[in-house]
Amino acid sequence: AQSVTQLDSQVPVFEEAPVELRCNYSSSVSVYLFWYVQYPNQGLQLLLKYLSGSTLVKGINGFEAEFNKSQTSFHLRKPSVHISDTAEYFCAVRGPGGYQKVTFGIGTKLQVIP
Amino acid sequence: NAGVTQTPKFQVLKTGQSMTLQCAQDMNHEYMSWYRQDPGMGLRLIHYSVGAGITDQGEVPNGYNVSRSTTEDFPLRLLSAAPSQTSVYFCASSYAGQVEPYEQYFGPGTRLTVT
Repeated sequence: AQSVTQLDSQVPVFEEAPVELRCNYSSSVSVYLFWYVQYPNQGLQLLLKYLSGSTLVKGINGFEAEFNKSQTSFHLRKPSVHISDTAEYFCAVRGPGGYQKVTFGIGTKLQVIP
Repeated sequence: NAGVTQTPKFQVLKTGQSMTLQCAQDMNHEYMSWYRQDPGMGLRLIHYSVGAGITDQGEVPNGYNVSRSTTEDFPLRLLSAAPSQTSVYFCASSYAGQVEPYEQYFGPGTRLTVT
């Protein structure tokens, strides 16, 4: 079984400040990791994903995430946030091989303060 | 491409009523799924399908039925609505990658209230 923990339910941050949204996962096998973003009243869209290779993954809108196997973490970072980054962010994990279900975290609401 | 479309956007039902939430995709994706989103609980998988004629249960399937007669459509049926089914429902689709997982594409959601 796999699980995802997003440690912060809400993160307020001032515009142009850096932000880190934390995600830890639990799995007995190797996993694929994702970050999705949900803007108000919309569906989710993919920000970035880690499949293999380099542990630093770059995504859209200036976001990046680092896979840390020893700490079972996949934290999302942005060096300077904008008002338009206000949204809910979901970390997700999927197991290897064939079709596997995706498990989502409970989400972190990022509020960018002008 | 329209991507993943869902209808209706909003719905209010009385307890005991039934209804069908529609989902369609035009990307020829094999895999489709239904999630419900509730505050503080993230997204929970209700049912999914890996191809026409093949469906399976997710983690919260009770009270819901699905069928997949075509690649494009994956309707979700509420058999007898209950207030506990008040939620936002998302449909998603993706290619069914055997080696590398493909991203899921989400519809805009259906906001359902059961009174």
